[in-house]
Amino acid sequence: SQKIEQNSEALNIQEGKTATLTCNYTNYSPAYLQWYRQDPGRGPVFLLLIRENEKEKRKERLKVTFDTTLKQSLFHITASQPADSATYLCALNSNSGYALNFGKGTSLLVTP
Amino acid sequence: DTAVSQTPKYLVTQMGNDKSIKCEQNLGHDTMYWYKQDSKKFLKIMFSYNNKELIINETVPNRFSPKSPDKAHLNLHINSLELGDSAVYFCASSQAGSGTGELFFGEGSRLTVL
Repeated sequence: SQKIEQNSEALNIQEGKTATLTCNYTNYSPAYLQWYRQDPGRGPVFLLLIRENEKEKRKERLKVTFDTTLKQSLFHITASQPADSATYLCALNSNSGYALNFGKGTSLLVTP
Repeated sequence: DTAVSQTPKYLVTQMGNDKSIKCEQNLGHDTMYWYKQDSKKFLKIMFSYNNKELIINETVPNRFSPKSPDKAHLNLHINSLELGDSAVYFCASSQAGSGTGELFFGEGSRLTVL
């Protein structure tokens, strides 16, 4: 069956450090992988999309890598800030292409 | 203006009742979705509509009936509510198939079935 796995344990880091979140998947052949941020009581908000032929994508302090051989994406937040505290969701298009399936998310807490 | 808006934000009801959640998007997108987020925060696709046509129904009980009167609206009607239906329901939209473009989510509708 198709699976998207993210670190189930919350990630606690100190302000200014780099946070690295992992997304592993099985039984997908994704053309794209997306990352979203979700704050408590809010809907997910899109952050980045990376295509299968792109190894790395950057946006301000965010960096995403996509390794289709390892079936893994890494999501980095550099110079993290307390405002980065949220749950981060990895998402892949289903093999039919019509739906976006999400991992369970990793909760990030950045402390001052 | 809110891009994807859903109402109501909170809904508390008794088992066996019927309820509806409404969703509207003003982004001009062709595709709309309903997702369910359970108590473990797992976000799961329920339905997807493209230009008012149902394209995905992910083994959702037929007590759940989506209706899309036009491509800017996708409503969700739930019959005979059960305790297990308690969750947050998110509406979303995208311009193309969801793999190729970002999803825009509403703020969610928290349904509590007593």
